[in-house]
Amino acid sequence: NAGVTQTPKFQVLKTGQSMTLQCAQDMNHEYMSWYRQDPGMGLRLIHYSVGAGITDQGEVPNGYNVSRSTTEDFPLRLLSAAPSQTSVYFCASSRQAYSNQPQHFGDGTRLSIL
Amino acid sequence: AQSVTQLGSHVSVSEGALVLLRCNYSSSVPPYLFWYVQYPNQGLQLLLKYTSAATLVKGINGFEAEFKKSETSFHLTKPSAHMSDAAEYFCAVSAQGGKLIFGQGTELSVKP
Repeated sequence: NAGVTQTPKFQVLKTGQSMTLQCAQDMNHEYMSWYRQDPGMGLRLIHYSVGAGITDQGEVPNGYNVSRSTTEDFPLRLLSAAPSQTSVYFCASSRQAYSNQPQHFGDGTRLSIL
Repeated sequence: AQSVTQLGSHVSVSEGALVLLRCNYSSSVPPYLFWYVQYPNQGLQLLLKYTSAATLVKGINGFEAEFKKSETSFHLTKPSAHMSDAAEYFCAVSAQGGKLIFGQGTELSVKP
């Protein structure tokens, strides 16, 4: 099993450009989420999904869109990139949206916006 | 609302010394708590989790953590540090619906 796969691993964008960060999991997990990691701030939740067709906002959703058309995939879209969105982005999944379920993380996408 | 505070953004120990990484939480309901480790340029890996079964939780790589309700703490320890333990460590509390609230992280350095 590949687990949680994120693509691309690195990306440089110009301000105003749009792009999609891909996330796929092969564990048939219901729950998927996106975090951003910034120095000294830990990981902050952007959006999450408790199943196909269901998404909701996390702590820092502004500037990002998500959709969940299949169980496996949970892409994150930046509509108009801003320098403040320079960060490392992690996708995670867990079997179900219960509080005692550990989350499995991808290796991250390192995004720089100039 | 839940929150997590990790005391010390950077901890340095000598190889073979005790590792102690501190985590305090705030939660209005009985918490589920996790420790994750992040090696350079990698994602987060689960070290251990507390889900109310036992207050002393053993994890991978010789790490363990003790849940102390009276102190609202969940400190991570390892009796003897190895060079391979150098990484960033995150404490997290689980909020409603499976969402994780992370602490700021503690970078562990191990000196030879």
